[in-house]
Amino acid sequence: DTEVTQTPKHLVMGMTNKKSLKCEQHMGHRAMYWYKQKAKKPPELMFVYSYEKLSINESVPSRFSPECPNSSLLNLHLHALQPEDSALYLCASSQGAGLDQPQHFGDGTRLSIL
Amino acid sequence: GNSVTQMEGPVTLSEEAFLTINCTYTATGYPSLFWYVQYPGEGLQLLLKATKADDKGSNKGFEATYRKETTSFHLEKGSVQVSDSAVYFCALKSGGKLIFGQGTTLQVKP
Repeated sequence: DTEVTQTPKHLVMGMTNKKSLKCEQHMGHRAMYWYKQKAKKPPELMFVYSYEKLSINESVPSRFSPECPNSSLLNLHLHALQPEDSALYLCASSQGAGLDQPQHFGDGTRLSIL
Repeated sequence: GNSVTQMEGPVTLSEEAFLTINCTYTATGYPSLFWYVQYPGEGLQLLLKATKADDKGSNKGFEATYRKETTSFHLEKGSVQVSDSAVYFCALKSGGKLIFGQGTTLQVKP
């Protein structure tokens, strides 16, 4: 059982829709992450939040908009996505952003863009 | 720049066989090293970690030793089970980011 909870597990949306992915952790972690994973590939980092502030944006297109309302929650707002954005979106958290702090992953949201 | 190279898979073994998955890295400084496992339809689970040279991480019968002289962090298990079938990712952490290898698929047959 994962301690990082992501909802929904599956999402199908059209290119003109607006939807949000949600991530929640109650481990007291202060760093949270969004990754994108295509089939048979490793996860690619998208965003990092540290102490509720955006610290890393890996040049992600503006159709993806992250939000960290509090230390336990992380959202990813989606708008006008493209078919190539279909992927597994993984959320992770770690106690801090330090070198020895492992990241704990949720099970992901599988997103399909029609 | 920093990078991780894993042996290409898939790796197919019979149950109770010995497992080695090779991982080498390129990094400036002294990164922490991790192995993650991803079962079908799930997210990544931390398998083990090592934070400095000569550290050995171990969990669930898996082991890996941080070898600075050979810049390696090979994953080993003495006797694999069918339930170990999954994708294994080697990763290093540098500058707040996890950098993953390409992943190695392990299939264990009964």
